[in-house]
Amino acid sequence: GDSVTQMEGPVTLSEEAFLTINCTYTATGYPSLFWYVQYPGEGLQLLLKATKADDKGSNKGFEATYRKETTSFHLEKGSVQVSDSAVYFCALTTRRKAAGNKLTFGGGTRVLVKP
Amino acid sequence: NAGVTQTPKFQVLKTGQSMTLQCAQDMNHEYMSWYRQDPGMGLRLIHYSVGAGITDQGEVPNGYNVSRSTTEDFPLRLLSAAPSQTSVYFCASSYSGGGNTEAFFGQGTRLTVV
Repeated sequence: GDSVTQMEGPVTLSEEAFLTINCTYTATGYPSLFWYVQYPGEGLQLLLKATKADDKGSNKGFEATYRKETTSFHLEKGSVQVSDSAVYFCALTTRRKAAGNKLTFGGGTRVLVKP
Repeated sequence: NAGVTQTPKFQVLKTGQSMTLQCAQDMNHEYMSWYRQDPGMGLRLIHYSVGAGITDQGEVPNGYNVSRSTTEDFPLRLLSAAPSQTSVYFCASSYSGGGNTEAFFGQGTRLTVV
């Protein structure tokens, strides 16, 4: 079945540091790939997505590129802020209508940015 | 701008009790899902629905029931609560669109079974 593996946290950084969170996946066919973010006490919200190979998703200074050859979708940000402290989830979904856009998630990576 | 609304936000149950977690969305989304979030395990799919009257099991369905009589509502029923069901539960909804569309999540229900 489908699976997503992402690096375990917590990741602790200083403000303005470079952030990278690794994500690799196993899936049949050509999945869509997502990064969701969960701020403390809240639900998940979409950070960025990519739907085909070599697509780059970007939002709020974060970027991730869909690499089919390495089955990866690593998240990067060049200069983090305290407000980026959150839990980040890599996820995929298949394109089959009967699958109902159900998401397969990685285990989540907690990021803490210190001033 | 309600989006996905879950109630209650917090609940404590005794082992063996039953309860229903409510989920409602006002975006006319076809697809709705229930996930549970446990430390270090990400979110795991419990049940999902691709439209009113159509539901299916996810990865961890045992001990839970769902039904979908309207597009807006997708309640999750715990039949006989067990301590292993202590978790945070999230409801999500999305348009169809072949796997390209964003899922919108509720704020979660934190359930403790004692």
